Amino acid sequence: NAGVTQTPKFQVLKTGQSMTLQCAQDMNHNSMYWYRQDPGMGLRLIYYSASEGTTDKGEVPNGYNVSRLNKREFSLRLESAAPSQTSVYFCASSAHSAGSSYEQYFGPGTRLTVT
Amino acid sequence: AQTVTQSQPEMSVQEAETVTLSCTYDTSESDYYLFWYKQPPSRQMILVIRQEAYKQQNATENRFSVNFQKAAKSFSLKISDSQLGDAAMYFCAYAGNNRKLIWGLGTSLAVNP
Repeated sequence: NAGVTQTPKFQVLKTGQSMTLQCAQDMNHNSMYWYRQDPGMGLRLIYYSASEGTTDKGEVPNGYNVSRLNKREFSLRLESAAPSQTSVYFCASSAHSAGSSYEQYFGPGTRLTVT
Repeated sequence: AQTVTQSQPEMSVQEAETVTLSCTYDTSESDYYLFWYKQPPSRQMILVIRQEAYKQQNATENRFSVNFQKAAKSFSLKISDSQLGDAAMYFCAYAGNNRKLIWGLGTSLAVNP
């Protein structure tokens, strides 16, 4: 049982390049989330998917797109990277079902640097 | 809108001593959950403890316990017998009806040997 996995762990991009961050969970959770973490800013929600087939914007969606490929996988795409997107990115999942207690479980994070 | 405030950006404690981290929140909802997460230098976010708002009893997990004051909207974390491995960033989080987590900005805890 791996929990939430993310790839890659580190990435350096040049301005304008694109990339996709991959996330998968094996806990049969309905909901998945993408956050970014910047110094002094805490965790900010980029996008989330309450269930397979649905996605919604979070607090800071500009410059990102997501795909909920199936129940297990939720990817985050940067179409044209900018230095402002230098950050640590976390994927998380939660059960989001009747009787669940709302907690989220996190992947190990991806440190992205855009030069 | 709900908010979560951690008023202590940094705290320190001596090994084996007890420390309390503060968290306050604002909400008009009556049913919600509160969490404390730990983020050590490895960056991994680890759930430490959770509290259901409808439960009056304070949650406890080994050396970690909370003081949940619903009327005051306060949710502090007490770490007893502090260990070097407790050094980390600690985040308080709120989850209401929409199940999205609202996060505080964190408290950096140093443990001195």
